[in-house]
Amino acid sequence: AQTVTQSQPEMSVQEAETVTLSCTYDTSESDYYLFWYKQPPSRQMILVIRQEAYKQQNATENRFSVNFQKAAKSFSLKISDSQLGDAAMYFCAYRRALYERNEKLTFGTGTRLTIIP
Amino acid sequence: DTEVTQTPKHLVMGMTNKKSLKCEQHMGHRAMYWYKQKAKKPPELMFVYSYEKLSINESVPSRFSPECPNSSLLNLHLHALQPEDSALYLCASSRLRYNEQFFGPGTRLTVL
Repeated sequence: AQTVTQSQPEMSVQEAETVTLSCTYDTSESDYYLFWYKQPPSRQMILVIRQEAYKQQNATENRFSVNFQKAAKSFSLKISDSQLGDAAMYFCAYRRALYERNEKLTFGTGTRLTIIP
Repeated sequence: DTEVTQTPKHLVMGMTNKKSLKCEQHMGHRAMYWYKQKAKKPPELMFVYSYEKLSINESVPSRFSPECPNSSLLNLHLHALQPEDSALYLCASSRLRYNEQFFGPGTRLTVL
């Protein structure tokens, strides 16, 4: 079974600084998707970034980028120029890339990120 | 319209009540999901609908009954719930079964 581990229950960063959230996963599959979701206190889960395992290039979305290390099964999220609105619970998630049937998301336990003004 | 909406935002019900949660999307997505999320925990998948047909039921108790009347609407009917069912219930949708999921804001359910 696939597992996703986020070893940092809480992180904090000074506003405008850079922070990296860690995520590791365990799978025997070669093709899969990885995601980072953000859940602010308003509760809505928001997709931050997505990475396809077959792509070597790390995904980037504005201030958010990932460091995808397939051999190490590591998928960290870097947030640059941190803003107060980045404060949230961040979940790393994994999904197998099977197209003939639905596959569920496997979530990590989350990292709560606090932004210090 | 690029969002998933859920009603109500908050719901308080007794153990003998019958209530329903509603989820709606107008993005043309053909897969819809119900998740349950307890405080400080990740979401747990409950049900998946694909093309209005139930494709996954994660061994959810029968007191939770999902319904997908059309491609835009997903309901979760609640009956004879227990206090431990109190949680945030999240709805999500995706274009097809294997695309990324977009979540609604959730319904905070309290069972007394």
